[in-house]
Amino acid sequence: GQNIDQPTEMTATEGAIVQINCTYQTSGFNGLFWYQQHAGEAPTFLSYNVLDGLEEKGRFSSFLSRSKGYSYLLLKELQMKDSASYLCAFDNAGNNRKLIWGLGTSLAVNP
Amino acid sequence: EPEVTQTPSHQVTQMGQEVILRCVPISNHLYFYWYRQILGQKVEFLVSFYNNEISEKSEIFDDQFSVERPDGSNFTLKIRSTKLEDSAMYFCASSPGQGNYNEQFFGPGTRLTVL
Repeated sequence: GQNIDQPTEMTATEGAIVQINCTYQTSGFNGLFWYQQHAGEAPTFLSYNVLDGLEEKGRFSSFLSRSKGYSYLLLKELQMKDSASYLCAFDNAGNNRKLIWGLGTSLAVNP
Repeated sequence: EPEVTQTPSHQVTQMGQEVILRCVPISNHLYFYWYRQILGQKVEFLVSFYNNEISEKSEIFDDQFSVERPDGSNFTLKIRSTKLEDSAMYFCASSPGQGNYNEQFFGPGTRLTVL
């Protein structure tokens, strides 16, 4: 079967670093995505990993281990505007190119 | 920068009425999707559309739902007889569908309220 799991909620302090984990199980895999979603808005793309390792993009980095079915999103120098839901999703390499979504991790950044 | 657009941004309707949600995907994209998100809950896949036909649909996408690409640009989701539980944000997304990279680009969503 296919499933994906991430923590429901996290809290962090402005200026700190936070790591949001995501684990998944699937037979077909063509990459893992992280999206950010502010309340009432659409998800916006943050990162994509298809090979093992770390992808860095400014304050955000994403890591993937395909053998462990594990990814994390690392947010540095947290800002209040980073308070949002962070969605992990993988491409199951099906013909329909569908993404399988996690429940999302709601991150609250406190002053 | 090209983007997915959706209209209307808000739709209020009475239970039992038909609604049509409209989307204009990014022009050179090949795959189109509708997702639903009930307030406070996860993003749920409804349907994917490729080559002018449905490629996959979820259990949610029952006979009350239909999709169409009536011309070269619009992609619509029709709910024939709305129910209270259809109240949600509906997101349209499109992806290039070429190569390995399959980022899905989301529209801003339509907030549907069924009274």
